[in-house]
Amino acid sequence: DAGVIQSPRHEVTEMGQEVTLRCKPISGHNSLFWYRQTMMRGLELLIYFNNNVPIDDSGMPEDRFSAKMPNASFSTLKIQPSEPRDSAVYFCASSRLGEGVESPLHFGNGTRLTVT
Amino acid sequence: GDSVTQMEGPVTLSEEAFLTINCTYTATGYPSLFWYVQYPGEGLQLLLKATKADDKGSNKGFEATYRKETTSFHLEKGSVQVSDSAVYFCALTASGYSTLTFGKGTMLLVSP
Repeated sequence: DAGVIQSPRHEVTEMGQEVTLRCKPISGHNSLFWYRQTMMRGLELLIYFNNNVPIDDSGMPEDRFSAKMPNASFSTLKIQPSEPRDSAVYFCASSRLGEGVESPLHFGNGTRLTVT
Repeated sequence: GDSVTQMEGPVTLSEEAFLTINCTYTATGYPSLFWYVQYPGEGLQLLLKATKADDKGSNKGFEATYRKETTSFHLEKGSVQVSDSAVYFCALTASGYSTLTFGKGTMLLVSP
């Protein structure tokens, strides 16, 4: 099992540019989560999907952030336009939920985003 | 709403010292409790869990007991190693992993 795969590992961009973060969940997992980690706020849940459908996006900070999950093996988190305060480590996590089965969250290694 | 409070770090120990990282929680109902560990440059990994009062979760020498009367889930290890240096997160869920609430994390630094 390759685990949750995120790309890129590091992203440096200028303010105003579009940023796209990518995630491949563990095969067989039906739920996918995007988190943001900063020193000030800790770990924040941005959005999560179940069976490719967004269930709760209340943590998405503003309209500049959008997330999609076109199929069970791929998700993107897009920031457009990016701002310096978006600098953080973004984690994707997946798990299997429902039908009487639950698995712990499995996290990717994160994407460190720096917006200058 | 649900919340988790952890002791602030960093916690600095010498190798073979005893470790305690405090965690208390506020939640409705009967939550499940977790400890996750984050090594440098990596994502979080589940370390241990407990799903009901008085349960003890354990893994890799770490232990934590679900104490409903004190709403606590303190992490302990009898003898830490340099390789235990990491950030430790306490977390809870009242209704499945989709609503996992994390504490802010406690950094542990172990010196030889």
